[in-house]
Amino acid sequence: LAKTTQPISMDSYEGQEVNITCSHNNIATNDYITWYQQFPSQGPRFIIQGYKTKVTNEVASLFIPADRKSSTLSLPRVSLSDTAVYYCLVGDIFSGGYQKVTFGTGTKLQVIP
Amino acid sequence: EPEVTQTPSHQVTQMGQEVILRCVPISNHLYFYWYRQILGQKVEFLVSFYNNEISEKSEIFDDQFSVERPDGSNFTLKIRSTKLEDSAMYFCASSESGGASSYNEQFFGPGTRLTVL
Repeated sequence: LAKTTQPISMDSYEGQEVNITCSHNNIATNDYITWYQQFPSQGPRFIIQGYKTKVTNEVASLFIPADRKSSTLSLPRVSLSDTAVYYCLVGDIFSGGYQKVTFGTGTKLQVIP
Repeated sequence: EPEVTQTPSHQVTQMGQEVILRCVPISNHLYFYWYRQILGQKVEFLVSFYNNEISEKSEIFDDQFSVERPDGSNFTLKIRSTKLEDSAMYFCASSESGGASSYNEQFFGPGTRLTVL
């Protein structure tokens, strides 16, 4: 699994757009990029996944440049309830029909009123 | 919305005792997982399970650990002789079968907090 590097923590005011960037220089051809969110004392929750360019869902957007060596999770207009740890994961989702999810330390996002 | 459930939410046990943590995965999912998270640390993969056998396990998952799917709905993690360092939050997860046209989003349960005294 490709190693990922992301900021340990970020602060943002309510209503702002937050961008969390993850570096994955050793990403392999078959690897997908997945982001999970974890609230305190809860299990991680899938946010978004992509392979290249841009993916958007009702929660977030994921921007992946052409070289795929990094990705940026964008959260529009954050609220206090978005305070959580955000994990960037990279792996081959088709390997063996499942993906061993390996979590790094994540980025702790603190939304300030 | 279907969800993964886990029981109990909190388990307190004495060192050396056996514990069984229970999980009910989402009903149409075929892949099952256990993770643990020691307080203040990252989520660590323990084991994955498919077709009634272990698919992959980490170095943490030693002979003290075992998993079982005793019936069509439950998925259990057993720790035979608990140690102080087993104190952690244990998360169960499940996912649909993989395929070329889908991704394997893992759905996590709320966790069981295990405290070993």
